[in-house]
Amino acid sequence: DVKVTQSSRYLVKRTGEKVFLECVQDMDHENMFWYRQDPGLGLRLIYFSYDVKMKEKGDIPEGYSVSREKKERFSLILESASTNQTSMYLCASRDGLAGVPKTQYFGPGTRLLVL
Amino acid sequence: AQSVTQLGSHVSVSEGALVLLRCNYSSSVPPYLFWYVQYPNQGLQLLLKYTTGATLVKGINGFEAEFKKSETSFHLTKPSAHMSDAAEYFCAVSSNTGNQFYFGTGTSLTVIP
Repeated sequence: DVKVTQSSRYLVKRTGEKVFLECVQDMDHENMFWYRQDPGLGLRLIYFSYDVKMKEKGDIPEGYSVSREKKERFSLILESASTNQTSMYLCASRDGLAGVPKTQYFGPGTRLLVL
Repeated sequence: AQSVTQLGSHVSVSEGALVLLRCNYSSSVPPYLFWYVQYPNQGLQLLLKYTTGATLVKGINGFEAEFKKSETSFHLTKPSAHMSDAAEYFCAVSSNTGNQFYFGTGTSLTVIP
């Protein structure tokens, strides 16, 4: 079974802090994704990565950056956390083979509260 | 461009009743369609997916969905609701050329005993 893990389930940070959210997958997937989930808005894509050191902006990248130094690890960085970044953050991965799109596998999520 | 609309952010059914969660999509290319379920404080889990072939797709936990191209719909059904079905359900669309999934805003299902 594919396993996607996220470093924290719950996190409380203060405004202005630098925040790191870590995601690790164990299936050698090329593609990894970071979403945020807010009530009534569903899942919105922040960034995705299709290979090591490669990244693409999603729909709402402002205020975020990412890092992918190793294939299995994809980090989301909030350079200076703000209260409007309080949300549930979900990481996902899938393999990058061309053709029929493969399933995205999700981690359990990190619920971030910024005070 | 691709997008997904889920009609009804909250649906309540009685235990044993039919579950129907609606999903309509827009896509300029042949779509690939997915339903995910999210239990409280958990990530998303794949219920079922349509890529090609048979338009009626069966998934886990007794759920199924039918791809109707003429109606641009992919509604999720289950003949008899169980208390354990209470969760949030997300419909998503992708294409064979894109890396991205586009998710609907979700439908919260409540099952009344």
